[in-house]
Amino acid sequence: DAGVIQSPRHEVTEMGQEVTLRCKPISGHNSLFWYRQTMMRGLELLIYFNNNVPIDDSGMPEDRFSAKMPNASFSTLKIQPSEPRDSAVYFCASSSGRLSGNTIYFGEGSWLTVV
Amino acid sequence: GENVEQHPSTLSVQEGDSAVIKCTYSDSASNYFPWYKQELGKRPQLIIDIRSNVGEKKDQRIAVTLNKTAKHFSLHITETQPEDSAVYFCAASMNFGNEKLTFGTGTRLTIIP
Repeated sequence: DAGVIQSPRHEVTEMGQEVTLRCKPISGHNSLFWYRQTMMRGLELLIYFNNNVPIDDSGMPEDRFSAKMPNASFSTLKIQPSEPRDSAVYFCASSSGRLSGNTIYFGEGSWLTVV
Repeated sequence: GENVEQHPSTLSVQEGDSAVIKCTYSDSASNYFPWYKQELGKRPQLIIDIRSNVGEKKDQRIAVTLNKTAKHFSLHITETQPEDSAVYFCAASMNFGNEKLTFGTGTRLTIIP
């Protein structure tokens, strides 16, 4: 299995630009999570989907952030407009839910720098 | 919601000695407790987990203990090796109805050769 696949791995963008991060979960997994990691705040859950439906988006920081999951094999996290404080590593993760005992597998992360 | 506290934030031990990292959680409904290891520049990876019907679980040099009454769980690494140097995160979630993992703030473990 290829694991959770994220793109881009690294992105540097200017403040005000739109950023789109992409994720392909592990085939057969029905839960998908977007986490943000910073030195100051650690690992924060932004949003998670179950069977392509957003279940909990309470961690999404503000309206500049949006996430979609149009099908079981693809999700996007969009930041528009981006700000320097959005600089972080964004991890996508997936799990097969209760049957796997909630084991969550992380992608390699997207390293975002907003200048 | 769930709140997970983790201590210490940094830990240095001599190679061959044991390391212990402790976490507490707030939601008594939580019953799944994984530990993740994150090496520099890499993704978090699951190293061991424990469920509320088990008090202790061991996998080679790694063990986890759980005290549901006190709402705390610990990671024990014995005979530490340089490759154990990493950041370790504990987490908690409810197994049914809510898969959301709440993570601790991490412990940076350094093994001194």
